Amino acid sequence: DAGVIQSPRHEVTEMGQEVTLRCKPISGHDYLFWYRQTMMRGLELLIYFNNNVPIDDSGMPEDRFSAKMPNASFSTLKIQPSEPRDSAVYFCASSWGTSYNEQFFGPGTRLTVL
Amino acid sequence: KQEVTQIPAALSVPEGENLVLNCSFTDSAIYNLQWFRQDPGKGLTSLLLIQSSQREQTSGRLNASLDKSSGRSTLYIAASQPGDSATYLCAVRQGGSEKLVFGKGTKLTVNP
Repeated sequence: DAGVIQSPRHEVTEMGQEVTLRCKPISGHDYLFWYRQTMMRGLELLIYFNNNVPIDDSGMPEDRFSAKMPNASFSTLKIQPSEPRDSAVYFCASSWGTSYNEQFFGPGTRLTVL
Repeated sequence: KQEVTQIPAALSVPEGENLVLNCSFTDSAIYNLQWFRQDPGKGLTSLLLIQSSQREQTSGRLNASLDKSSGRSTLYIAASQPGDSATYLCAVRQGGSEKLVFGKGTKLTVNP
């Protein structure tokens, strides 16, 4: 299996622009997670899905952030409009089944908002 | 609110040394604890997963222990190698949730 795939790997944009990050989970996994990593706050969960349904979005920082999972093999995280404080590495992870199973992480997208 | 702490933030050791990384958490009502490795500019690689009912897990030169009642876990690395240099993160999965709460990691440098 190719593992969790994220694109793009790097994104540089200007403040106010819309940014879309993409994720393909491991085939067969029914949970998908979006995390953000910064030096100050470390790794934080933004939102997670189960069977394509958003379960907990309490970590989404504000209305500028939105996430969708139209099918079992694709998810997007959108920021509109982007701000410099959104600069971070965004990770997608997936897992199968219940809480007893490991989460597998993608390589991340490094976002820089100028 | 669960808080996960990893001390020290950074550690430098000579090659061949055995070492222990520490992780503590404030709420003992966890499902499991997972140790990850993160290389610079890369994603996280899962190393070991310990369920709340287990005391330890081993994989090769790595051994992770869990003392849920005291809110502590350790990652033991035997005979360290330069290739072990990375940031090591621990994360706990809270009971009743799929959320992982992460510590900020320990940056390990193994010198040849």
